[in-house]
Order: sequence, then C-alpha cells, then structure tokens
Amino acid sequence: QKEVEQNSGPLSVPEGAIASLNCTYSDRVSQSFFWYRQYSGKSPELIMSIYSNGDKEDGRFTAQLNKASQYVSLLIRDSQPSDSATYLCAGQGAQKLVFGQGTRLTINP
Amino acid sequence: DAGITQSPRHKVTETGTPVTLRCHQTENHRYMYWYRQDPGHGLRLIHYSYGVKDTDKGEVSDGYSVSRSKTEDFLLTLESATSSQTSVYFCAISEFDTTYEQYFGPGTRLTVT
Repeated sequence: QKEVEQNSGPLSVPEGAIASLNCTYSDRVSQSFFWYRQYSGKSPELIMSIYSNGDKEDGRFTAQLNKASQYVSLLIRDSQPSDSATYLCAGQGAQKLVFGQGTRLTINP
Repeated sequence: DAGITQSPRHKVTETGTPVTLRCHQTENHRYMYWYRQDPGHGLRLIHYSYGVKDTDKGEVSDGYSVSRSKTEDFLLTLESATSSQTSVYFCAISEFDTTYEQYFGPGTRLTVT
C-alpha cells in the first residue's frame, strides 16, 4: 500500500455543488495532514492543515480527518470554476511530508 | 507568500553537462527540500536538508547532489544531466519541528536535450 493514496480523477463537479476529495494513508504516515492546491504550471499552495480528528473549516473549505479509518477528505462548498486545479493530499512522515499523486478537479460552469 | 525564490526559472541544457539549481529563502526555516514533478508521478522527493551542512536523500536521489552552506540557500546539482532529468523542480521550506507545514517555491523548468 502506498503511504498516501488519492484517486487521480479527473473529478468533474458542476458549479455551485460540493466537491469532495478523498485521501487514505498507511501506518507510516501519522498525526498531521495537509491539502495543497496546484494550478496548471504553478507550484503547490497550502490551503488546509488538519492536526486532529474531526472537521476543520476555513471559508468554503472543510478538511476532515478520521484516524481510525485512516482517511482524510477535503470538501469544497459552492464550487467555482476558479477551484479547477489538482489537489494534493500530504501526511506527516519522518522529517518530511509524504504526498499523494493528486486529484484533478474540474468545475463545470 | 513565503519568501522563496528559485533560479533559474527555465533552463535548457545538453546531455552530459553539469547543472546547478538554486533555492533561496528569507524565512530562516530550518528544513529545505528539493522535489521533481513529472506527469504520472506526482511530487517526488530528491534530497532534503535539516540544517546547514545536514542533508539526506529522498526517494529519487540518484544522479543528484545537494549542498547547504548557509541557512538561506539550498543548491541542487545534476553532475551530468540526462534526458530523464527533464522535469519541473520545486524547492520547499518548512519549520518541520513545529508546524510541519511546507511552502513551495515557484519552480524551475529544466529541459535536457
């Protein structure tokens, strides 16, 4: 099993709907998790950090962490075309983050 | 934005030539990382540094070396560039001992012909 796994997509969501991005992780990754957004041709940008079980909300974004199921998710409410990007999930490893392959999200107007 | 710059931003070089990429930070972060990103492979860690003169290998370190002689600069060297090293290279910084959050530079697009 990969340390951090994501469905590569593409995930297509209509404008205004909720986009749900998912990530699972192995025992080799622990504690803290991060979501990055990467627009085509740009560098990854940190958009959410989550350190404990439960939900964390920031504007239209909600990160969810379930350590018992080893599952992390990112919900984007009221999706906008500007949310179209690749979303990378990352978990805390030893002295470094472990990244998933990324999920490509397209918001359709 | 975190104060991270990479130079050059674009480079075309020939097979067999040495290439050095530079990452410069103004945040005084202890940890610095070099990644490459290729279609279908995601971000792959090449090398990282946890302090001046302290470095370690990542998952794809063959053909690459690094140096960090001062906190703000982390250099990635391709001793003899090959076409398989054509990629986009990202530098990142972190205060991993406390927040674990990592911030990326703008990237360098390297083409080896």
